[in-house]
Amino acid sequence: QSALTQPRSVSGSPGQSVTISCTGTSNDVGGYNYVSWYQQHPGKAPKLMIYDVSKRPSGVPDRFSGSKSGNTASLTIYGLQAEDEADYYCCSYAGFYPVVFGGGTKLTVL
Amino acid sequence: QVQLQESGPGLVKPSQTLSLTCTVSGGSISSGGYYWSWIRQPAGKGLEWIGRIYTSGSTNYNPSLKSRVTISVDTSKNQFSLKLSSVTAADTAVYYCARDGGCTDGVCSWSWFDPWGQGTLVTVSS
Repeated sequence: QSALTQPRSVSGSPGQSVTISCTGTSNDVGGYNYVSWYQQHPGKAPKLMIYDVSKRPSGVPDRFSGSKSGNTASLTIYGLQAEDEADYYCCSYAGFYPVVFGGGTKLTVL
Repeated sequence: QVQLQESGPGLVKPSQTLSLTCTVSGGSISSGGYYWSWIRQPAGKGLEWIGRIYTSGSTNYNPSLKSRVTISVDTSKNQFSLKLSSVTAADTAVYYCARDGGCTDGVCSWSWFDPWGQGTLVTVSS
């Protein structure tokens, strides 16, 4: 089972929106509505931002939004803030496997 | 709220067995229909799911590690544990434990992780 494909880096200015993609296959992202996203600041544990493609846990700002089309899931961050600068990882249920992560994307706030 | 804390040796010799325990506080490990997972992250690299256990004892493992991994649960101590045998330098990583999945309005799903422990660095070296 291969890792999900994410861009190595994305960037945006404060107030702008950025989208991070996560591409898998019909065996994972495309086959199930079980995609989650995590934010990780340096030296810290990952934090759940989105689960089940588009659900936000309590306490996560509504600036964070998840979606999916076919084999690609996306995390969009609206109104970018300095504290959003972090690494972001996607994750998907993958049936028999059953969990696969993306390689991670470094978000830089310019 | 539920909190998780990893514990175990920070240094393991090559070919030996890595053993870690995750202690769950603020709630019973047996309640809620959750899985309990182990995830690791080598320095400067991405996350790798190791495996998980349900409180019934049912387990799922990453196929790439399956031959070396055992995850167990001790409900009386509110803990679950990881054993990884025949370790090499490639197993050096920060190891996290995490609660896996949950239910909202009667609808349950898994393979998402919240909360996480703070992580513990395990170095494999002689």
